[in-house]
Amino acid sequence: TQLLEQSPQFLSIQEGENLTVYCNSSSVFSSLQWYRQEPGEGPVLLVTVVTGGEVKKLKRLTFQFGDARKDSSLHITAAQPGDTGLYLCAGAHQAGTALIFGKGTTLSVSS
Amino acid sequence: ETGVTQSPTHLIKTRGQQVTLRCSSQSGHNTVSWYQQALGQGPQFIFQYYREEENGRGNFPPRFSGLQFPNYSSELNVNALELDDSALYLCASSLGGSYNSPLHFGNGTRLTVT
Repeated sequence: TQLLEQSPQFLSIQEGENLTVYCNSSSVFSSLQWYRQEPGEGPVLLVTVVTGGEVKKLKRLTFQFGDARKDSSLHITAAQPGDTGLYLCAGAHQAGTALIFGKGTTLSVSS
Repeated sequence: ETGVTQSPTHLIKTRGQQVTLRCSSQSGHNTVSWYQQALGQGPQFIFQYYREEENGRGNFPPRFSGLQFPNYSSELNVNALELDDSALYLCASSLGGSYNSPLHFGNGTRLTVT
């Protein structure tokens, strides 16, 4: 079973701090997606990365795909209370298996 | 553009009963995937339907079954409900039947089995 491990599981920080969330696997992924889920809602896609070493930015969020396409990170600069939520990474294998989700990182940003 | 809608939003059932959950896909999407999300966990893949055919299945028993209709809406049926089936059931639509395609999720159905 291919697993995606996310760390940390929980993160509680103050507004203005920086943070990094990690997503790791022993398997190679053809693409990796990051989602954010707020209470009572479904996950919402933030970004898809497909090329090893790829870096994508979405305002204060920076996403990186590892060179070997086995890991990814999400860095948030100057976190705001609106960033609070569950951050999920999800990977797809070239073999065509289903999109696999990690357990997520629950982020709480207080003002 | 109409997003993914799921019904009902909440449901309470008794162990042993059967339940049907419904999902309308986003306009233009022909693929529907169903996920189970237990409290504090990431979504677990149940199955995917592409052009009315099952296009992949996760590690769930046969009592979890589904359908996709010509308009690409979908149903998830669960028979002989167990307490562990209590979870948020998420439907997601996408294009083309590929597992690399980004998923557009509904807000889920919260199922409680007592």
